[in-house]
Amino acid sequence: AQKVTQAQTEISVVEKEDVTLDCVYETRDTTYYLFWYKQPPSGELVFLIRRNSFDEQNEISGRYSWNFQKSTSSFNFTITASQVVDSAVYFCALSPSWGKLQFGAGTQVVVTP
Amino acid sequence: DTGVSQNPRHKITKRGQNVTFRCDPISEHNRLYWYRQTLGQGPEFLTYFQNEAQLEKSRLLSDRFSAERPKGSFSTLEIQRTEQGDSAMYLCASSGQQALGETQYFGPGTRLLVL
Repeated sequence: AQKVTQAQTEISVVEKEDVTLDCVYETRDTTYYLFWYKQPPSGELVFLIRRNSFDEQNEISGRYSWNFQKSTSSFNFTITASQVVDSAVYFCALSPSWGKLQFGAGTQVVVTP
Repeated sequence: DTGVSQNPRHKITKRGQNVTFRCDPISEHNRLYWYRQTLGQGPEFLTYFQNEAQLEKSRLLSDRFSAERPKGSFSTLEIQRTEQGDSAMYLCASSGQQALGETQYFGPGTRLLVL
């Protein structure tokens, strides 16, 4: 069975602080995909990043960066220099090769001016 | 390239009534997914189509739920004899078939309230 755990329920920061969101996953598949989605108050899930199980290279995209460590089954996500518009619920998700997504419970990020 | 659209955006109904939701995927996406999201939780998988074939259904999809994708384009999700426990956000997503683990793009959702 697959499982995604986001232990942080809510994180509150002041604008310009960095925010790191934790995600731990469980799967028996050797090939799998990991995602981060953002859900602002409007409700629509917005795709942020995708990583496959064979690529542990960590990257930076604008203010977003991620740390994928297969050895610890973790896929953490960082927002650098947070802004008020970053306030949303962030979901980590896991899928096998054919695409069904298993989501974590989400982490609410609150950025105050 | 238009995104995934869902209609209606909001639906209020009385217990026992039937409701139907529609999802229009991104054009040329042949995979379509339905999820349900209750307050404070992550979305949960309901069912999945590849073209017009429904390939998997979650145990969450009781006999009162039925989904169709008749021509491999738009999809409908019907709930018969609604119950208060059906109140949730129903999300639709689509993806292409170019590669495994293709990213799913979500629509704005249909928020259902059963009174």
